[in-house]
Amino acid sequence: AQSVTQLGSHVSVSEGALVLLRCNYSSSVPPYLFWYVQYPNQGLQLLLKYTTGATLVKGINGFEAEFKKSETSFHLTKPSAHMSDAAEYFCAVSDRANAGGTSYGKLTFGQGTILTVHP
Amino acid sequence: EPEVTQTPSHQVTQMGQEVILRCVPISNHLYFYWYRQILGQKVEFLVSFYNNEISEKSEIFDDQFSVERPDGSNFTLKIRSTKLEDSAMYFCASSVRAIGVTQYFGPGTRLTVL
Repeated sequence: AQSVTQLGSHVSVSEGALVLLRCNYSSSVPPYLFWYVQYPNQGLQLLLKYTTGATLVKGINGFEAEFKKSETSFHLTKPSAHMSDAAEYFCAVSDRANAGGTSYGKLTFGQGTILTVHP
Repeated sequence: EPEVTQTPSHQVTQMGQEVILRCVPISNHLYFYWYRQILGQKVEFLVSFYNNEISEKSEIFDDQFSVERPDGSNFTLKIRSTKLEDSAMYFCASSVRAIGVTQYFGPGTRLTVL
C-alpha cells in the first residue's frame, strides 16, 4: 500500500527566505506525485504534479518540486517566501495503474505541513 | 474558470440522522471522488465514481455511506445514520480521467454531528 510522509507539521520562515517542505513516499512502483495547497476556508488547489519526463517540475506561485526516485522524495521549494504563501500544503500520490491495468486515481495524502511566513 | 461547488458549506446534525452532501463537479469531467478530513488528521479517500458506479472505495466507506449522480450534474454523498466520528470536512473532487491528471476539489462541507 502507498503511504506519504511529510516531515514537519509546521514550518516557519521569514519573508524572502527559502521555503522547503519535505515529502517522502512509499510505493512499490513510482507513483504520480502531487502538491496541493489549502488556504483558510478554501478547498485544495493543485500547485504542481509529476507524471513523467523532467524530474524538476514548476508550478504556480513560484513553487517547484523535484522527483528523486533514489530517495523516494518529492520536496517542494520556493526560493523566496511571500506572506501570501502562508497556508497548509499537502503532498499526495496516486497509482500509475493497478494489477488489472486500470487505476481510478485515488489520491493518498500526507499529513500536511502548515507554512507560516513572518514579516 | 470552472470550479467544483459544494453545498452546504456547514451542516450540523444529530447523531443517527441522515445527511446528504451535495457537489456539482466540473461539467466535462467523468471521474468523481469524495474525501474527508477529520480535524487535525490526513485527508482520506472515501470513494471514486465513474460511469454511474463506484469504481473504488476505502474501508471507511461502509454500508452507512452511499453515492449517486442523480441527474447528470449533481454528485451526492449520503450518510444514512450519522455517528459522532463522522464529524469532518468532506471534499468532493472531479477529473477528466483517472490517471495522472489534476483532481479539482470543491471548498468542502464541514459536517458536525452532535
